Amino acid sequence: AQSVTQLGSHVSVSEGALVLLRCNYSSSVPPYLFWYVQYPNQGLQLLLKYTSAATLVKGINGFEAEFKKSETSFHLTKPSAHMSDAAEYFCAVRRNTGNQFYFGTGTSLTVIP
Amino acid sequence: EPEVTQTPSHQVTQMGQEVILRCVPISNHLYFYWYRQILGQKVEFLVSFYNNEISEKSEIFDDQFSVERPDGSNFTLKIRSTKLEDSAMYFCASSEHSRADQPQHFGDGTRLSIL
Repeated sequence: AQSVTQLGSHVSVSEGALVLLRCNYSSSVPPYLFWYVQYPNQGLQLLLKYTSAATLVKGINGFEAEFKKSETSFHLTKPSAHMSDAAEYFCAVRRNTGNQFYFGTGTSLTVIP
Repeated sequence: EPEVTQTPSHQVTQMGQEVILRCVPISNHLYFYWYRQILGQKVEFLVSFYNNEISEKSEIFDDQFSVERPDGSNFTLKIRSTKLEDSAMYFCASSEHSRADQPQHFGDGTRLSIL
């Protein structure tokens, strides 16, 4: 079965510091991978997606993620954290067939001024 | 930018009562979904719906649950006899296509509290 694991349920960084949120997937074939962000009291907003076109994917708000097949990882990064980045981040995988997303447990990002 | 809207934002219901959660998907989208997130747990798939039929459902989506598209804009999730463990945030999502590389667009959710 497809799944994703997000290491670290809570991550704190200083404003201006590098953001690194980890996601590893389990799949027998390269899946489709997504990062979503959830701001307080809001729904899930798509940050970026990997669909095999390029291993380094750029998303909104300065975020990017790199697909590494050898490590079965799709970590989310941002060079310089901003206060507005404080939110819950979810990694999700989707099979080549079927409709459902499989979400990770989420990582709560806190940005310290 | 078009968005998925859900009502109400918060629903409080007595155990055993029926509840209907409402969603208005993005207008040109054809595929609709419900997910739930129990507090502190991961977002879980419930059901997908296309062409007025359920196309896929999870083990969570038992006989207590049903979905309907009663008109051209609304997409509803009904829980027939609510249980305490149904307390969760319920997210509606929609997508234009069912292709696996297509993202699903989510609403802000309905927080369901069962007393």
